[in-house]
Amino acid sequence: AQKVTQAQTEISVVEKEDVTLDCVYETRDTTYYLFWYKQPPSGELVFLIRRNSFDEQNEISGRYSWNFQKSTSSFNFTITASQVVDSAVYFCALSGSMNSGGYQKVTFGIGTKLQVIP
Amino acid sequence: DTEVTQTPKHLVMGMTNKKSLKCEQHMGHRAMYWYKQKAKKPPELMFVYSYEKLSINESVPSRFSPECPNSSLLNLHLHALQPEDSALYLCASSQGWGQREKLFFGSGTQLSVL
Repeated sequence: AQKVTQAQTEISVVEKEDVTLDCVYETRDTTYYLFWYKQPPSGELVFLIRRNSFDEQNEISGRYSWNFQKSTSSFNFTITASQVVDSAVYFCALSGSMNSGGYQKVTFGIGTKLQVIP
Repeated sequence: DTEVTQTPKHLVMGMTNKKSLKCEQHMGHRAMYWYKQKAKKPPELMFVYSYEKLSINESVPSRFSPECPNSSLLNLHLHALQPEDSALYLCASSQGWGQREKLFFGSGTQLSVL
């Protein structure tokens, strides 16, 4: 069974502060993928990053960075110098073994609602 | 064009009504999905279509009936819904259906059942 835990349900920060969103996962698969999606108030989930289980390199994209640590089963997401436009719900997700239909089973965390206050 | 377009954006229907949700993508993606999302919850998978054929039905009640007329379009036909079916219905697509596939989502249809 797969499980994704996002322990922070809501976070508020003041603009320009750094903020880290935590994600801890459980899986028995040796090959899996981790994702982060952003859901702004408009509703659509927007893909941010994908990581496979064999690639523990951290990644930076502008103000966003991701820290993947297999030893602690964590895939944390940091926003540097947060902006009001970062206000959204952020979902961590895990894609592990295929189900009987050959389809990837994606497990989403419950999401972390980030509010950036001007 | 990296968009998934959903219509309508909002829908209010009675329990005896029949309505349809529509989804369109022109990215050449081979897999399309319907997700249901209740407030403050993550999306829950309902159906998966691959190559226009229904691959996965996650034990969804028959009052929800999906249809994939062609590779770009996905419909969700609604009939005799219950108030607890009120939710945001998201359509998504992906290039394939393997582990590594990232999902492209539409902005959803906010459905209210009275």
